[in-house]
Amino acid sequence: GIQVEQSPPDLILQEGANSTLRCNFSDSVNNLQWFHQNPWGQLINLFYIPSGTKQNGRLSATTVATERYSLLYISSSQTTDSGVYFCAVETSGSRLTFGEGTQLTVNP
Amino acid sequence: AAGVIQSPRHLIKEKRETATLKCYPIPRHDTVYWYQQGPGQDPQFLISFYEKMQSDKGSIPDRFSAQQFSDYHSELNMSSLELGDSALYFCASSYLGAYEQYFGPGTRLTVT
Repeated sequence: GIQVEQSPPDLILQEGANSTLRCNFSDSVNNLQWFHQNPWGQLINLFYIPSGTKQNGRLSATTVATERYSLLYISSSQTTDSGVYFCAVETSGSRLTFGEGTQLTVNP
Repeated sequence: AAGVIQSPRHLIKEKRETATLKCYPIPRHDTVYWYQQGPGQDPQFLISFYEKMQSDKGSIPDRFSAQQFSDYHSELNMSSLELGDSALYFCASSYLGAYEQYFGPGTRLTVT
């Protein structure tokens, strides 16, 4: 099956810093989504981005499908950004395959 | 905007008991997915339904079964519960089995 690798596995930032999270995948995909899992366990949809670039406030994402990677940018980080960020891809059958996530901690 | 609804939100069961988790998709969504997330792990796909028919199947134990009803809600039935079944169970929905999947808040199952 498809392999999804996220980096870095852990990231600690000071409030106000910027960061870039990476997601590499091993095969062509129909769908790519970024999620934020908050400390209460909820999975929040951030982006549906099989290709191209999108922005939503302080967050933006870019997927280069031909090179099989996606990037999530977080600018001016806040403590509420803490949690786990997952990249998930869909190839066929519509199931999502998740990466292992990036654990982000933003300190005040 | 309406979101995916899951019930119950928390469930505590003993070994060998049964559990039923319910999922109500976003209105007009016809596809439902179930995922299991163990402690410290990423969500793993269990099973999906499109227009009330099973559309895909992952590593779902034989002790688990699921179905989608005429109103598109879905239920995950889990029997002979084991300690290892303790996890967060997510339901997600989408339209036409394609495009973006929207996740519910999850049901946290604890087996003692």
